[in-house]
Order: sequence, then C-alpha cells, then structure tokens
Amino acid sequence: GAVVSQHPSRVICKSGTSVKIECRSLDFQATTMFWYRQFPKQSLMLMATSNEGSKATYEQGVEKDKFLINHASLTLSTLTVTSAHPEDSSFYICSADREDYEQYFGPGTRLTVT
Amino acid sequence: QKEVEQNSGPLSVPEGAIASLNCTYSDRGSQSFFWYRQYSGKSPELIMFIYSNGDKEDGRFTAQLNKASQYVSLLIRDSQPSDSATYLCAVNMNSGGSNYKLTFGKGTLLTVNP
Repeated sequence: GAVVSQHPSRVICKSGTSVKIECRSLDFQATTMFWYRQFPKQSLMLMATSNEGSKATYEQGVEKDKFLINHASLTLSTLTVTSAHPEDSSFYICSADREDYEQYFGPGTRLTVT
Repeated sequence: QKEVEQNSGPLSVPEGAIASLNCTYSDRGSQSFFWYRQYSGKSPELIMFIYSNGDKEDGRFTAQLNKASQYVSLLIRDSQPSDSATYLCAVNMNSGGSNYKLTFGKGTLLTVNP
C-alpha cells in the first residue's frame, strides 16, 4: 500500500512561536503533496498544493507568509506555522499523490496553541 | 463554485444491512471520484476510487458512478459496527492548467447498530 507519515502527531506550543510539521511518503515518490486543515466536526479544508521544486499554490484565504510550505524532495514536504495563535489550533493533515490522482493521507498532526 | 454535496446524516443502519451513501457534484468535467472513511480523531483512509460509469466492487464495498446525473454512491454490504465512521466523497476537479485538487464533501456520518 501507499504509506504517508507525519511528524509530530501532536504538538503543543505557546502563542507566538513557530511549529514545523513534516510529511513523508515512505514507499513512493510524490510529485505533489497537499496540506489540509480540519476543525472539529468540520470537513477537510485544502490549504495548499505543494509541488516538488516549486512554490506552493495556496487556497484563497490562506496566508502564505503564515503557513510556509517547502517541498524539497519527492518524499518530503514541510508545513511551518509561523507565529502561531490559539485560532491556529487544529488538525493538520497532509496527503501525497501516488498516481492517477489517488491521494493518500498521513495520520495527521494535532496542533494546540496555548 | 465547484461543490460536492453529501447528506450529513447521521445514517443509522442495523448490523448486517446495506448502507447506502450518496454524493452529487457540480463540475460536469470531473473525471475521478473517491470515497474516504474517517474515524473520529483520525485522518481519512481511501476506500475506493472510480473513474468510469457503472459499478465497481471491492469486497463489501460497491461504488456506483453516473456522470450524466453527476452522482456517485457507495454501498456497504453486511454492515458491521466497525464501519461506523464518517464517509467522505471526494471529486477530482481541475483547478486550472495542469493543476487539480480533490474537493471534499462534508461527509456522511454512518452508525451501524449491533
């Protein structure tokens, strides 16, 4: 199967600090990775599309200077939440596109900003 | 606005029954359709994908696609309590140029009662 990992699974940070989340495709190469955010009892909201070697494409309303995305290799994408605030507390999930537009999700990172 | 619509439920079925989950989409040009299962507090897990009109069966799951009606469904036969989860319909919608993204419905909460 297609395995995608995320690290860390949980993180608690203080308001104003930055947090980096890693997303790795373990058994396949992913030209494209996606970052989603999910608030409690709500559906997945796409934040940005990350293509290896190029700048990420952000969805409308997502601040690119606040949510920094780097996709340095075909197996790794990172999301950095800069100057985090309590309203950024959410479940962040990455996915990787294996082939034929099939997206496989990582286990998610639960971020709590105090 | 390109949309994917699902009945939020909850849909409650007895153990052993057939659960029928429905989804409609607005973009007539969509080509790929996916069903994900999401347990509470977890990330989505890909169950099935379908590209062609008609039925596609995989074990207890059958996906049905009708592009003329812009409708896709998921049938779960012999439902088990472990099938209790939120089921997300996702549609591959072209977002311009060579980019694409999955647009998710809000999900249908399924409860299978023992």
